[in-house]
Amino acid sequence: AQSVTQLDSHVSVSEGTPVLLRCNYSSSYSPSLFWYVQHPNKGLQLLLKYTSAATLVKGINGFEAEFKKSETSFHLTKPSAHMSDAAEYFCVVSHNQAGTALIFGKGTTLSVSS
Amino acid sequence: EAGVAQSPRYKIIEKRQSVAFWCNPISGHATLYWYQQILGQGPKLLIQFQNNGVVDDSQLPKDRFSAERLKGVDSTLKIQPAKLEDSAVYLCASSLEGGRGYTFGSGTRLTVV
Repeated sequence: AQSVTQLDSHVSVSEGTPVLLRCNYSSSYSPSLFWYVQHPNKGLQLLLKYTSAATLVKGINGFEAEFKKSETSFHLTKPSAHMSDAAEYFCVVSHNQAGTALIFGKGTTLSVSS
Repeated sequence: EAGVAQSPRYKIIEKRQSVAFWCNPISGHATLYWYQQILGQGPKLLIQFQNNGVVDDSQLPKDRFSAERLKGVDSTLKIQPAKLEDSAVYLCASSLEGGRGYTFGSGTRLTVV
């Protein structure tokens, strides 16, 4: 069975400092992994996607994530936080080998202070 | 390009009443999904359609939830009768085959009182 565990329910950083949102996954086959962002009262937006190509995946708005099979991790990072990054972040694994139906983690709330 | 359209945006009903949500996917997207997002949690897949056929409905509470996608285009999700725990945002998404162009709608926020 496929699942994801987001290790932190809430992360607080100061503007200009690095962001690290942690995610571990479990999958019975080579997974597709995603990070989505959800701003308050807005729809879900795809940040980046891993599908067994390069292990370091670059996404939008300066975010990137590294797939580490030995650690079953897919942590999301950004070198310098911006106030506009404050939102809910979801780590996601594909429910099926086609990579279509998705299983979401419980989410990590990112707060950014000035 | 128009996105995934959902209506209504908000709905408040009393428990034991019925309710229906509507979704119009992006033109040409063969695959359509309904997700349920309870407050403070990540979305959970309820049902997946490929054209007008059901691919996966293993997490759909079939005693009260039903969904259809007639003609392989738009879709409706119905709850009858509603329970308090059905209060959530219901998200529709669509994609091309293989998950390309995966796009979520803005959702319908249901409150059951």
